[in-house]
Amino acid sequence: AQSVSQHNHHVILSEAASLELGCNYSYGGTVNLFWYVQYPGQHLQLLLKYFSGDPLVKGIKGFEAEFIKSKFSFNLRKPSVQWSDTAEYFCAVGAWTGFQKLVFGTGTRLLVSP
Amino acid sequence: NAGVTQTPKFRVLKTGQSMTLLCAQDMNHEYMYWYRQDPGMGLRLIHYSVGEGTTAKGEVPDGYNVSRLKKQNFLLGLESAAPSQTSVYFCASSYAGTSGPTGELFFGEGSRLTVL
Repeated sequence: AQSVSQHNHHVILSEAASLELGCNYSYGGTVNLFWYVQYPGQHLQLLLKYFSGDPLVKGIKGFEAEFIKSKFSFNLRKPSVQWSDTAEYFCAVGAWTGFQKLVFGTGTRLLVSP
Repeated sequence: NAGVTQTPKFRVLKTGQSMTLLCAQDMNHEYMYWYRQDPGMGLRLIHYSVGEGTTAKGEVPDGYNVSRLKKQNFLLGLESAAPSQTSVYFCASSYAGTSGPTGELFFGEGSRLTVL
């Protein structure tokens, strides 16, 4: 079964700082990778996803992530964060085992101070 | 377009009481899921369904039962609530791609359950 590790549990940044959140997964086969975001008091929303092709994927609100297969990583980046990016971010991996169940990481709480 | 709707949004139970959480989706999705979210543990899959009339266990199924009598609805039941079931519950749905589900989940707004 697949597993996901998010090493940063809490991140505090000032506005305009650059962001990189780590995500590593464990699975030997083909995977699809996702980042979801949960704004305070809201449900989870898809930020971006990787299925195949260009390992650098761009999502909404200026976020991007790079899939590095050799490192089993899918780190999330944003060049310049805004106060409105304050949220919890979840990495998720789905393995192609007939039926794809997503396994989520434990999440990273990002606080952006104005 | 309502998407995924969960009811109730908040509930307080006493130990041993029973309740049912209802999830309804209007996107004609084949797959539906129930997750629980606990601090520091992320989202954990309780049960899921790959179609009307079918259900399967996820990572943490003990103490829960589910039913999917209609394609658009997925019910999560607690027969005898325990304090360990205090959590935020999220329902999600997804559509089936040409080679299985694409994995993009659409989530409801969550149901906060407290068991005293």
